[in-house]
Amino acid sequence: GAGVSQSPSNKVTEKGKDVELRCDPISGHTALYWYRQSLGQGLEFLIYFQGNSAPDKSGLPSDRFSAERTGGSVSTLTIQRTQQEDSAVYLCASSRYGGQNTEAFFGQGTRLTVV
Amino acid sequence: DQQVKQNSPSLSVQEGRISILNCDYTNSMFDYFLWYKKYPAEGPTFLISISSIKDKNEDGRFTVFLNKSAKHLSLHIVPSQPGDSAVYFCAALGGSNYKLTFGKGTLLTVNP
Repeated sequence: GAGVSQSPSNKVTEKGKDVELRCDPISGHTALYWYRQSLGQGLEFLIYFQGNSAPDKSGLPSDRFSAERTGGSVSTLTIQRTQQEDSAVYLCASSRYGGQNTEAFFGQGTRLTVV
Repeated sequence: DQQVKQNSPSLSVQEGRISILNCDYTNSMFDYFLWYKKYPAEGPTFLISISSIKDKNEDGRFTVFLNKSAKHLSLHIVPSQPGDSAVYFCAALGGSNYKLTFGKGTLLTVNP
């Protein structure tokens, strides 16, 4: 597709269940980012991929969060044993190279609600 | 510890007038700044950016000003249009050069 695609667009899950969020970046973009936006908060950095490797996982809030990227393309963010505080919009972005002067294009986000 | 601060959660402006959105930062390693615009239920879209070697960048109705000594930048929209109504995020890059640090956003409402 022409833009960054995320699925599902909405996810409601019960506390304690695991969820997987998917991101399809723009074709050819080597850099991929996950951010989340909680209610009333700015965009919080979670993890950055360059190709398939993640040089910076510093934003992942706990060990319940993990992410992988395969084939330098699709990425999956997994949240295990979800908690109510995990409720947020999870945004994926990609950019051509990941450095300065490269614009990051965002997907529409996945709204996660943990009940 | 917020490194990028947008102290006004909302701003309301009349159509045709100027909108000024402000952003302050604390990290002196930041050297590239971006503004993103976000409509409800959509991801943020890039609007305009400025490098720290400049103090002004203009693109049509949008101008970003950077005051490095004050660690302050602002986005000017003139004339404002109702379609500009959205949340505007200020973001900064520096050091690692890949991790965007965002402010909390300012909701701009342009009234017809």
